[in-house]
Amino acid sequence: KQEVTQIPAALSVPEGENLVLNCSFTDSAIYNLQWFRQDPGKGLTSLLLIQSSQREQTSGRLNASLDKSSGRSTLYIAASQPGDSATYLCAVMEYGNKLVFGAGTILRVKS
Amino acid sequence: GAGVSQTPSNKVTEKGKYVELRCDPISGHTALYWYRQSLGQGPEFLIYFQGTGAADDSGLPNDRFFAVRPEGSVSTLKIQRTERGDSAVYLCASSTGTGKKETQYFGPGTRLLVL
Repeated sequence: KQEVTQIPAALSVPEGENLVLNCSFTDSAIYNLQWFRQDPGKGLTSLLLIQSSQREQTSGRLNASLDKSSGRSTLYIAASQPGDSATYLCAVMEYGNKLVFGAGTILRVKS
Repeated sequence: GAGVSQTPSNKVTEKGKYVELRCDPISGHTALYWYRQSLGQGPEFLIYFQGTGAADDSGLPNDRFFAVRPEGSVSTLKIQRTERGDSAVYLCASSTGTGKKETQYFGPGTRLLVL
């Protein structure tokens, strides 16, 4: 059974810092890996999607990498801002199109 | 509509009651998913529809849970004889259904509280 683990569970940083969120998964038979953002009381917003054949994706200040063979992904956020404060979820897509999520990293960026 | 919508946004019910949760996917999306998110956890897969049929219902926890999508658009998640452990946020997502490269677009969720 696929298991997705996210480290750290929570992170508090001052504004302007670069930071890395980590995600690991136990079964490398995935179609893709996605990073989502969730704000309190809201649904999930997709940030980046990396296909299983790709190594990384970039969007603005966000960069996500994927090492499928070792079962790891990182989300890099450059020059963090208070508006980046949210829960960040990592999810892998398995056969059947279902997503398996980690428990998330709660990020707080202090101004 | 512009995004996935879910109604109601909040539902409070008593143990043993029946509830229905509704999801309106993005227009034209043939794939629809239900997930359940407990406090402090990531969402857990419940069921996936491709068109009107359930392509994968392996995540439904027991036979008290049932979902339908009769016309291939709106879906209803039905929970019979609710239990306190059913309290969670129920999330719906939709995608174009054209392949494995697509993003799932999530609605805001229905927060269910069973007293």
